[in-house]
Amino acid sequence: KQEVTQIPAALSVPEGENLVLNCSFTDSAIYNLQWFRQDPGKGLTSLLLIQSSQREQTSGRLNASLDKSSGRSTLYIAASQPGDSATYLCAVEVNYGQNFVFGPGTRLSVLP
Amino acid sequence: DTGVSQNPRHKITKRGQNVTFRCDPISEHNRLYWYRQTLGQGPEFLTYFQNEAQLEKSRLLSDRFSAERPKGSFSTLEIQRTEQGDSAMYLCASSSVGASYEQYFGPGTRLTVT
Repeated sequence: KQEVTQIPAALSVPEGENLVLNCSFTDSAIYNLQWFRQDPGKGLTSLLLIQSSQREQTSGRLNASLDKSSGRSTLYIAASQPGDSATYLCAVEVNYGQNFVFGPGTRLSVLP
Repeated sequence: DTGVSQNPRHKITKRGQNVTFRCDPISEHNRLYWYRQTLGQGPEFLTYFQNEAQLEKSRLLSDRFSAERPKGSFSTLEIQRTEQGDSAMYLCASSSVGASYEQYFGPGTRLTVT
């Protein structure tokens, strides 16, 4: 059974810092890995999708990497801003085009 | 493209009542997913459809839960004889092969069972 963990569970940083969020999964036989952002009481917003054949994806200040063999992904946020404060979730696609297994999320607070 | 929409956004019901939620996916997406999320946890998969066919159901989906997607467009999730443990956020997502099955989520329906 695929299990996804995220470390740390919560993180508080001053504005302007670069930071790394970690995601680990137990079964390396995944298809895609997707990072999401969730604001309190809201739905999920897709940030980046890394296909199984890729090692990283970039969008603006965000960079996500994937190492399937070690069961790890990282989300790098450059020059953090207060508006980045949210919960960040990673999800692995167990079977192509089917369901995702989510981690519990990292709650990020960026202080002005 | 107006994104994934869900209705209602909030539902308060008494234990034992039946409730139904609706999800309208992005129009060209052929896959639709339902998840449940409790406070402080990531979403848990419930079921998914490819067009009108329900292809997979989680063990979390007890016989009190039923989902439909008539004509492969919108979907409904019904919970019969609600229990307090059903209180959660119910999230819907859609995807398509053309976008590598990247999932796009709706705003969710928050259910409170009193």
